[in-house]
Amino acid sequence: EAQVTQNPRYLITVTGKKLTVTCSQNMNHEYMSWYRQDPGLGLRQIYYSMNVEVTDKGDVPEGYKVSRKEKRNFPLILESPSPNQTSLYFCASSFRGRGRVNNEQFFGPGTRLTVL
Amino acid sequence: ILNVEQSPQSLHVQEGDSTNFTCSFPSSNFYALHWYRWETAKSPEALFVMTLNGDEKKKGRISATLNTKEGYSYLYIKGSQPEDSATYLCAFSITGNQFYFGTGTSLTVIP
Repeated sequence: EAQVTQNPRYLITVTGKKLTVTCSQNMNHEYMSWYRQDPGLGLRQIYYSMNVEVTDKGDVPEGYKVSRKEKRNFPLILESPSPNQTSLYFCASSFRGRGRVNNEQFFGPGTRLTVL
Repeated sequence: ILNVEQSPQSLHVQEGDSTNFTCSFPSSNFYALHWYRWETAKSPEALFVMTLNGDEKKKGRISATLNTKEGYSYLYIKGSQPEDSATYLCAFSITGNQFYFGTGTSLTVIP
């Protein structure tokens, strides 16, 4: 089954304790992205990756790191989480074939993070 | 930060009614406009990807139009059903890599 998976789905942690949220897709998509969803705000893009070893900042990158060492994985790293990073996080992926225009994004199930 | 606005914020309609929502975005440097359907406790799912001015897309009872010159897109639902209840999101892109989402229109269809 074609899908985007995220782990963990739920996480409660404390300020300053480093954590990683994993994201993996099995559709051989070049493009992957991380978003956060907060009440009253639309999905906001944190980082995106156009392909292996190619990443760039989205709208709200502060406090986050990413890496793209393999095509299928795009982990989100919070080196020193703070309470304002409490949010619902979504990973998404999309096909970016040569010469293709924009394609739909496939979203993972979401990770609900609480930082105390 | 680019501003993408959706209206109305929420909508309650009777089963069988037709309805429409609006997504407004900056009219300069357009690349693509996406529509997603987001059901409670699930992930957003793509409805349409629109790239050309004048585009019209249709999937069953749901259709969308795009006007890039004036910076808006309409989503229409014909004969709403309870299973159409969801939040409908639009996402605007000027590069195909960065996306700016609206806050969504929450639709409730009353049986």
